Amino acid sequence: DAKTTQPTSMDCAEGRAANLPCNHSTISGNEYVYWYRQIHSQGPQYIIHGLKNNETNEMASLIITEDRKSSTLILPHATLRDTAVYYCIVMNYGGSQGNLIFGKGTKLSVKP
Amino acid sequence: DADVTQTPRNRITKTGKRIMLECSQTKGHDRMYWYRQDPGLGLRLIYYSFDVKDINKGEISDGYSVSRQAQAKFSLSLESAIPNQTALYFCATSDSTIRETQYFGPGTRLLVL
Repeated sequence: DAKTTQPTSMDCAEGRAANLPCNHSTISGNEYVYWYRQIHSQGPQYIIHGLKNNETNEMASLIITEDRKSSTLILPHATLRDTAVYYCIVMNYGGSQGNLIFGKGTKLSVKP
Repeated sequence: DADVTQTPRNRITKTGKRIMLECSQTKGHDRMYWYRQDPGLGLRLIYYSFDVKDINKGEISDGYSVSRQAQAKFSLSLESAIPNQTALYFCATSDSTIRETQYFGPGTRLLVL
């Protein structure tokens, strides 16, 4: 019953932009797209979220397609410390549970 | 995140033993969560609590119980540990107004022999 589809793994050269795709073709109008990452066995870390407009913060940018069926997380200048598993999560903001449903994510490897 | 602490960080126990994992937070959040992660898999929700008097089962609550002793403390108990409860356990917190932005503790690695 996964709501999102992500590639299993990706590589990126250090200093280059890392573009992580996520498909969420069944997203509904009141669902947000959230991104978290988990650096090896540490607790997951919130990165960014958005509804339909593109968003940017100090960590990353989130580009959501106009039909909202897919999105891309962009790390503009990837470093070795960005090597992690990245999770794309679709969630109803203000939903009754508020719990995050994690899939398997994308393992991003940043290489020197 | 140092605002969310978990104890112990590592624990080895035997089948049938009762153990408790503890979580404390200084973020002032009202909502707290317990997740478990198995190797190569994403996190799965065990229990969550929206305030001191509120406890809710998550996706995989069987074999676990929780106690919300105070707003800042949320403990997870395994009444009779079994080997397939060997996993990495994470506690998380969120604010009621921004509940989907959750802050995770460093995790507790549990091995049940």
